[in-house]
Amino acid sequence: GQNIDQPTEMTATEGAIVQINCTYQTSGFNGLFWYQQHAGEAPTFLSYNVLDGLEEKGRFSSFLSRSKGYSYLLLKELQMKDSASYLCAVLDSNYQLIWGAGTKLIIKP
Amino acid sequence: DVKVTQSSRYLVKRTGEKVFLECVQDMDHENMFWYRQDPGLGLRLIYFSYDVKMKEKGDIPEGYSVSREKKERFSLILESASTNQTSMYLCASSLGGSDTGELFFGEGSRLTVL
Repeated sequence: GQNIDQPTEMTATEGAIVQINCTYQTSGFNGLFWYQQHAGEAPTFLSYNVLDGLEEKGRFSSFLSRSKGYSYLLLKELQMKDSASYLCAVLDSNYQLIWGAGTKLIIKP
Repeated sequence: DVKVTQSSRYLVKRTGEKVFLECVQDMDHENMFWYRQDPGLGLRLIYFSYDVKMKEKGDIPEGYSVSREKKERFSLILESASTNQTSMYLCASSLGGSDTGELFFGEGSRLTVL
């Protein structure tokens, strides 16, 4: 079966750096997405990786290793507003999105 | 900005009632999707549509149907609501064609079935 694994919950301190991991086992691979979802709100797109390596976008970076079935989202200079759930999703060989259950990130002052 | 609007943020229905969830997008997107989101589970695809009057079953279509009579509108219908359909329902759209598949989501409709 197809599977996306990410930690259920993480806690970090304001101003620090946090890395949220995502491992996947899917039938084929056509890209990996990260979405951010604040409580009670819609998920919003953060990043898309299809090639190995690091993609940087401001305070957020996303890394992909296709050979390891692994990605991480790196958040730097954490702010209180970064408290949210972070969803990892993989586009499989049929171009269907397979979603992880999400990682709830709690930022403490 | 792309806007995806879901008609109701919160609904409470009784078992056996018919439920309509409406979704409208304003960016002329080809693709529209209905997901449900439950605690501890990833988003699960109920139905999707790549064109007007076209629909495809997702992973969990049982107990649901959809309608796409106009490009901008995608409706989810629960013919006879059951308590196990209590959930958050998310509508999404994407451009279509050869795009990367970035989804734009509505704010969700939280349905409680008593």
